[in-house]
Formats: sequence, C-alpha cells, structure tokens
Amino acid sequence: QAVESGGGLVQPGGSLRLSCAASGFTVSSSFMSWVRQPPGQGPEWVGIISNTDTTQYADSVKGRFTISRDNSKNTLYLQMNSLRPDDTALYYCARYGSQTGLFDCWGQGTLVTVSS
Amino acid sequence: DIQMTQSPSSVSASVGDRVTITCRASQGISNWLTWYQQKPGKAPNVLIYATSTLQSGVPSRFSGSGSGTDFTLTISSLQPEDFATYYCQQANSFPITFGQGTRLEIK
Repeated sequence: QAVESGGGLVQPGGSLRLSCAASGFTVSSSFMSWVRQPPGQGPEWVGIISNTDTTQYADSVKGRFTISRDNSKNTLYLQMNSLRPDDTALYYCARYGSQTGLFDCWGQGTLVTVSS
Repeated sequence: DIQMTQSPSSVSASVGDRVTITCRASQGISNWLTWYQQKPGKAPNVLIYATSTLQSGVPSRFSGSGSGTDFTLTISSLQPEDFATYYCQQANSFPITFGQGTRLEIK
C-alpha cells in the first residue's frame, strides 16, 4: 500500500512537498499518480510519472507541480509551488495500471489547505 | 479534455433493490472505463475496470457494461455495505478524468 505525508496549512503562493512511501510494490517499475479530492467533491487527477520517468500533468497544475521519485526509498513525491486556494484538497498517491487504466494501492491521503 | 457525466447524482434505494448508474463520456473512450466505490473517510476502491471486468475480491452483484461513450454500473441486489458514492473514470487519453459521482443512499 501507500502512506502519504507532508500536507498542512500553507499561505497562497507558498510551497509544500508531499511524500508517498510505498510498500508491497516497487515505485520505480510502476506508473504512479497523484489524485486530489477537494472537500465534498469528486477525485481530480493531478499528474503521473511513468516507469521511464515520463511525466504528465493536469493543466490546472502544469508548471507549478512536479512529480518525482526516490527509488532507493521506494517513495514518490509531489512538489507543489505557487499554491492557490483552489489547490485545497486531500491528496492521494495511487499506482496506475497502464494496461488496465485503473488506480489501485491508494494511500489514506494527506490534507493540503491553502489559506491566508 | 474528456468530460465524464454521471447520472443520477444521487439515488435512494432499499436493501435488495437493483440499481443502475450511468456514465457518459463527451467522446469515445473505447473500453477504458473504471468504476470506483468510495466510503466516507476512505480512498476510492476499484469495482470494475475495462468497462466490465470485475476487480478481484469484488462481489458478483456488481457488473459493468457499455462501450464508446455510454456506460453503466449495475448492482443487482443492494446490500447494506453498498451505500456509498460511486465514481467513473476514463483512461482513454490524458488528462485522466473522473465523473462527479453518484451518491447511493438508503431509502
């Protein structure tokens, strides 16, 4: 499974780095994604990193968020810069199946609140 | 971007009822359609992927069908643990998108 951390309260324009520690599977050989869920709303895909380090992002975060991983720690990261109030959400990491199109091995989420 | 529209947005039903939830894509997505169940305070959990393939461990009362732009999730006989919110998600093209959800409530 996965365990996210690093969320918290941040002012608009600030930065945060989220971490996702995986167990039971290898982050380096997987497609890994971040999915966020604003309070009371449905999930929203944030971005993905492939097993060959190719990344793609939602337009709403492109240029502000960066996905990376540390294979030695089996950990995924989400660097979030220039945060805005509409980035407030519960952030999940999940494994993406490129052959199935599904997200599994979700963590419990970490809450990011962007407010002054 | 492909928009995913679910209907209804909420439905009330009783234990033992048959319930169908619909998901419509704004353009064809082949069979790249996944259904999730989400309970309060929990992450989404896969029920069905590739339109109609039941995820391991999911009860057979759940089924999926459809193709192209129109898809359905059917629960053949509602059980108490099925009252939750259901989401569809397409993976035909980036950005990956989710439906807005269908809340299944106890009548």
